[in-house]
Amino acid sequence: EAGVTQFPSHSVIEKGQTVTLRCDPISGHDNLYWYRRVMGKEIKFLLHFVKESKQDESGMPNNRFLAERTGGTYSTLKVQPAELEDSGVYFCASSQAYRQGRVDEQFFGPGTRLTVL
Amino acid sequence: SQQGEEDPQALSIQEGENATMNCSYKTSINNLQWYRQNSGRGLVHLILIRSNEREKHSGRLRVTLDTSKKSSSLLITASRAADTASYFCATRTGTASKLTFGTGTRLQVTL
Repeated sequence: EAGVTQFPSHSVIEKGQTVTLRCDPISGHDNLYWYRRVMGKEIKFLLHFVKESKQDESGMPNNRFLAERTGGTYSTLKVQPAELEDSGVYFCASSQAYRQGRVDEQFFGPGTRLTVL
Repeated sequence: SQQGEEDPQALSIQEGENATMNCSYKTSINNLQWYRQNSGRGLVHLILIRSNEREKHSGRLRVTLDTSKKSSSLLITASRAADTASYFCATRTGTASKLTFGTGTRLQVTL
């Protein structure tokens, strides 16, 4: 069974440009999460989808970040316009069906390393 | 502020030795999990300990949890070169599904 995949693995862009990251969760997983690790700091939660709905977007840093999950399958995270402080590794994770209070293991993808020059 | 902070930030040991990493957190938790990240790879789930548990074992891994001190430790016994990676603790609180991670410990196991 394929794990969580992310594309691209590495992206280098200039400040002010737009970048779109993609995440394909494990097939059948309703939950999809985005996290990011800025250089030297902890991995921080960005947002959580349940199917196509945003369940929790409390970690999104500002309105330059837009996440979508049309159809409840893959998700995209767009950064527009990118700033220097957006550089870091963006991780996607997925887990099985959503049930309040249930602990479902989150399976992580390899991450996308974003470098903004 | 960080929910999870690990120490040490970096640890270098020889193969066969034991490695101990610590994690402290600030708020009440439902469970605490440890993850490993090999260079260029995603985070791999290692072990989960619930808030009402004090110790858990999985193979060469031993995790302890002290909720009174809001701290956890991960012990890797008889380390191998393949254990070289970054290790992160992550907590889950309340009804939220999101994980709150610490800054991680970089473990280097040399031959």
